[in-house]
Amino acid sequence: NAGVTQTPKFRVLKTGQSMTLLCAQDMNHEYMYWYRQDPGMGLRLIHYSVGEGTTAKGEVPDGYNVSRLKKQNFLLGLESAAPSQTSVYFCASSWGSPNTEAFFGQGTRLTVV
Amino acid sequence: AQTVTQSQPEMSVQEAETVTLSCTYDTSESDYYLFWYKQPPSRQMILVIRQEAYKQQNATENRFSVNFQKAAKSFSLKISDSQLGDAAMYFCAYRGNTGTASKLTFGTGTRLQVTL
Repeated sequence: NAGVTQTPKFRVLKTGQSMTLLCAQDMNHEYMYWYRQDPGMGLRLIHYSVGEGTTAKGEVPDGYNVSRLKKQNFLLGLESAAPSQTSVYFCASSWGSPNTEAFFGQGTRLTVV
Repeated sequence: AQTVTQSQPEMSVQEAETVTLSCTYDTSESDYYLFWYKQPPSRQMILVIRQEAYKQQNATENRFSVNFQKAAKSFSLKISDSQLGDAAMYFCAYRGNTGTASKLTFGTGTRLQVTL
């Protein structure tokens, strides 16, 4: 099994450009999450989804949009990238039961110049 | 909203020694779950250990154990017989048991160095 796969692994964007990060999981998990990791700030939740066709805002949703048209995929979009969105982005997925482990992708390092 | 606090940005331990990483959290829920994740330089997030709040017994996984103090809202991680491979960022995380989504809330992390 591949687990959770993020595409791309690295990306450099110019301010104002748009892009989409793709997360795919093959474990049939209901829940999927997008986090960003910044030095000294841990992982902060951007958006999450509890099932196909549903999304919700996390702690830091501004400047991002998401979609979950298929259960196995969770897309994170940046419509107009800003330098403040330079970060490492992690996707995660889990079963709905709260005691279950969340599985993470390998991360996407995004730099906005 | 739940918050998770890790007050030690960096810790250092000698190989074969024991180290304890601290974590406190704030919640109004009575039923929840706590986790420690390890992030080595590869960036991969790896589950180290989990604790259910309704269990009084502290969780143990080989050289890793926790000291869970529910009344104090404290959840520390003890690493015994430290090895060079334990060097990593360690994140404490909280997950509630209510509402429509089971979100993981992370602390800011503790970077652990292991020296010879």
